[in-house]
Amino acid sequence: SYELTQPPSVSVSPGQTARITCSGDSLPNQYGYWYQQKPGQAPVVVIYKDRERPSGIPERFSGSSSGTTVTLTISGVLAEDEADYYCQSADTTGIYWAFGGGTKLTVL
Amino acid sequence: EVQLVQSGAEVKKPGDSLKISCKGFGYSFASSWIGWVRQMPGKGLEWMGIIYPGNSETRYSPSFQGQVTISADKSISTAYLQWSSLKASDTAMYYCARRQDISTYYFAYWGQGTLVTVSS
Repeated sequence: SYELTQPPSVSVSPGQTARITCSGDSLPNQYGYWYQQKPGQAPVVVIYKDRERPSGIPERFSGSSSGTTVTLTISGVLAEDEADYYCQSADTTGIYWAFGGGTKLTVL
Repeated sequence: EVQLVQSGAEVKKPGDSLKISCKGFGYSFASSWIGWVRQMPGKGLEWMGIIYPGNSETRYSPSFQGQVTISADKSISTAYLQWSSLKASDTAMYYCARRQDISTYYFAYWGQGTLVTVSS
């Protein structure tokens, strides 16, 4: 089955920039998507199509893509950004989707 | 406003059968793919599969093929996830979620989740 790889954890101080990477073989051909999940809540998409931001998502969230890696960047991190972040994409056929293992963002 | 409303928490015994539901509001249910996502306690999100209610075309993750059944009844705007024989390892939160559109491969809308606990 299709796999996406993320670091298990990232830690930053408030006001710094957090970068979370996600790698997968199909990412040169498929968009990457990012979800934020806070404890006890359903996931919320924060980036779609590699770099697009849904309405209501703060501008400090941005996305980029290069080869087999997509990156979620959170600029000027706030305490409220502490959460689990999951990348997601599909295989080259679009039939099978997958989530990355998730990255716990800790705001020190 | 698009809403997905899932059925309530379930407590079952190993070997029991179970069918949980997800009802869509505020959009054309038959015309949007609905998927299911598992989250085991303290673990990450897992894509289980997806169904197009308009014609019941269904795709399963290889990890879940044969373990669960995904179905939908477009007449009542409801999708289902069912088990014929639960195991303790099926204990998890299960989310339904709606694909944004056919040109993208992500879930734009999520249900509130259904907690399934399987214990003897």
